[in-house]
Amino acid sequence: DADVTQTPRNRITKTGKRIMLECSQTKGHDRMYWYRQDPGLGLRLIYYSFDVKDINKGEISDGYSVSRQAQAKFSLSLESAIPNQTALYFCATSENRGGTGELFFGEGSRLTVL
Amino acid sequence: QKEVEQNSGPLSVPEGAIASLNCTYSDRGSQSFFWYRQYSGKSPELIMFIYSNGDKEDGRFTAQLNKASQYVSLLIRDSQPSDSATYLCAVNLDGATNKLIFGTGTLLAVQP
Repeated sequence: DADVTQTPRNRITKTGKRIMLECSQTKGHDRMYWYRQDPGLGLRLIYYSFDVKDINKGEISDGYSVSRQAQAKFSLSLESAIPNQTALYFCATSENRGGTGELFFGEGSRLTVL
Repeated sequence: QKEVEQNSGPLSVPEGAIASLNCTYSDRGSQSFFWYRQYSGKSPELIMFIYSNGDKEDGRFTAQLNKASQYVSLLIRDSQPSDSATYLCAVNLDGATNKLIFGTGTLLAVQP
């Protein structure tokens, strides 16, 4: 099984619907991240969290919210989905301070908003 | 100015040749640098990371860092068709947060 698991892997929804993407990890890392990837724009950081009480906005947080339910779980919500949120979403984890800084990615969640 | 710049490619090389992938970054305070490989529709996987100026070798891969020129590169020797993928350069601006800033990636095509 993957160390970083994302659900759902694929989702098609309509404009205005609420969507939640979930991420769970077995790596024991405190740090978790949500990125989105768009063709030609690369990976962009949406939110990141260092523990259940520490949530931080990334460069493109508008239209998104997150919840850190436990050390191992970090979910991303789109309260009212719009077509330009169609993208491939990745959850990632990293070691705590002193690690290499490497990000460990989940398999991705492809979201299509019609 | 985008913080991490890569040529989008495609970079086409024949099998067995050396592929050279380049990346420039804008923040002189950047602390560590990563190369990820991403196959189409898959998640990025780490190839190499480098902290210090100079070269770092791992098998067929060599990462090169020049902080004065704000330049990092990845060389792939004896390129194989299985190396065909998008290569993402990432920069860690702050070791306290591990917020990686990614380039848009270079598509490498190794021709059999």
